[in-house]
Parts: sequence; structure tokens; C-alpha cells
Amino acid sequence: GQQVMQIPQYQHVQEGEDFTTYCNSSTTLSNIQWYKQRPGGHPVFLIQLVKSGEVKKQKRLTFQFGEAKKNSSLHITATQTTDVGTYFCAGPGGSARQLTFGSGTQLTVLP
Amino acid sequence: NAGVTQTPKFRILKIGQSMTLQCTQDMNHNYMYWYRQDPGMGLKLIYYSVGAGITDKGEVPNGYNVSRSTTEDFPLRLELAAPSQTSVYFCASSYRTENQPQHFGDGTRLSIL
Repeated sequence: GQQVMQIPQYQHVQEGEDFTTYCNSSTTLSNIQWYKQRPGGHPVFLIQLVKSGEVKKQKRLTFQFGEAKKNSSLHITATQTTDVGTYFCAGPGGSARQLTFGSGTQLTVLP
Repeated sequence: NAGVTQTPKFRILKIGQSMTLQCTQDMNHNYMYWYRQDPGMGLKLIYYSVGAGITDKGEVPNGYNVSRSTTEDFPLRLELAAPSQTSVYFCASSYRTENQPQHFGDGTRLSIL
């Protein structure tokens, strides 16, 4: 079955430093979604990428979809304490009508 | 709009007890999902539904049952609770397909002792 892998599993950064998480799929994806889960909270949709090579920005967050549509990345510039949480990528699960979530990257921002 | 509402928020069960986790959405979404999330881990799909009357197994369905009699409601039933089912359970919905964003409820924190 399809696998979606994320690295790193954990990342500690000093406030103001940049942060990047990477997502790799074993199969080509029609689209990829990114979610953020604050500690003790529920996942919240951030963005969806559809096109090969697509780049989207949300303030300090930059999302990229690889040319082969098998990998993606989320980059946060100048992290803030409000960025703390776990970031998940997710892609459609092939023939099954479901999303496959990556294992997530847990970001800690030290003040 | 309330979005996706889950009840209860917390529950402690004894081994062997049964319970139903409730999930309702008011966004007229066709697709609904149940996930479990163990501490520090990702989301594992338990069951999903693409519309009223249609349900299908996800990655980890054993020990659970679901039903979808209406578009709004998608309850998850635990029969014979076991310690391995201690987890946080999230219900989610999306408008039409898995290609559209999922909206999550606040979760139910369940402990089996």
C-alpha cells in the first residue's frame, strides 16, 4: 500500500530560526495536503498543492510540491512560539477513498 | 456553524465495557472518517464513509464498528474495550472526496483501565 514518510520526526529550534519538514510518498500523488496540530488540539488544514512544482506561501510558511509529485516540503521562516505543534502531510490513498497521513514532524520553538 | 462535533471529550472505561463515540457534522459533507492517534504518533484510519449507508474499513478496524444512517452522524462503537484501544479518537469530514480538505472534531480522549 501507499506510504507517506516525513522527516525529521522531531525538530527543536531557537525562536527566529528557520524550520523545514519533508514529506515523501512511495507513489505519485494527485495532490498533497498539509495540516497543523497544536499540542492537545486537533489537526487543522493548512493548504493543498495540486500542480507539479507548485509553490505556495502563507505569510512565513512556504509549501512546495515536487516535480514528480512524490515529495513535498514545508518551510517556516523565522519561527515564532506560535508555530509550535506537529505538522502532517497527507496524500490520497491510491484506489482507496481516503487520505494517508505522514507520521508528522513535531516542532518545538525555544524562546 | 459548529463544524464537526464529537462527544464525549473524555472517557474512562473498564476492560470489557462497550461504548459509542458520537460524531456529527453540520457542513453537509459526504465523506466522514474516524482516526485514532496514539501519544506522539500520527493518525491511523479506523473506518470511513463516503455517504449515508456506506462504510468501509481503514487501516486499523479491528475492535470497532461504525454506522452511517444519516449524512450528519457517524458514530464509532467499541465493543469489549481493551487497553490497546487507549487513544485519542478524531472524527473528520470532507465535502466530497479524499482530495478535499478534512475538517476535524476536537477529539475524544479515551482511557481503558
